[in-house]
Amino acid sequence: EVQLVESGGGLVQPGRSLRLSCTVSGFTFGDYAMSWVRQAPGKGLEWIGFIRAKTYGGTTEYAASMDGRFTISKDDSESIAYLQMNSLKAEDTAVYYCVRVRVAVAGNNFDYWGQGTLVTVSS
Amino acid sequence: DIQMTQSPSSLSASVGDRVTITCRASQSIYNCLNWYQQKPGKAPKLLIYSASDLQPGVPSRFSGSGSGTDFTLTISSLQPEDFATYYCQQSYNTPYTFGQGTKLEIK
Repeated sequence: EVQLVESGGGLVQPGRSLRLSCTVSGFTFGDYAMSWVRQAPGKGLEWIGFIRAKTYGGTTEYAASMDGRFTISKDDSESIAYLQMNSLKAEDTAVYYCVRVRVAVAGNNFDYWGQGTLVTVSS
Repeated sequence: DIQMTQSPSSLSASVGDRVTITCRASQSIYNCLNWYQQKPGKAPKLLIYSASDLQPGVPSRFSGSGSGTDFTLTISSLQPEDFATYYCQQSYNTPYTFGQGTKLEIK
């Protein structure tokens, strides 16, 4: 059974950093790209970025709205994906989802999601 | 960035109704379009990928169609468990973008 479990969320002061982890099981982690998606309270879904599988270079892409403050990485040996968030702002308050990226004939899709972890940025 | 616009933003319907949600892209995305369902307090769930392919385990009352810029999600006969918020998402290029969501409520 595929499982993605996020951790590391919580209350953080503006300007500080936080690293989220996503521990996965049930599939060969190294074969997949992983993505992060967030959802502010009462709002819609926002794609943060993704990291490709090593077979495809292990490179990353991000939404420009993240202002270069977020970094995604993955440890294939531990089956963990990370989201490093720096210089946090109040508007980063959201539930953060870890997502498995599946390559399809037409585009990619997010076929498995974690349960989400809440990050609250407030003094 | 490709803008995704869903309509309507909210919809009231009854059990057994046929419901259609539309999603329009600001440029052609061919058939790189996915649909997700989200229930309150839960993570989104993939329903349809590549515009019309049903994700395994998703009931066949859900279907997707369209290509280019205009897409639809149809639920052929609403069931009580279908009342949720639905999002479209383009994966033609990055940044991947979502529609604003359509909240489907019980009439």
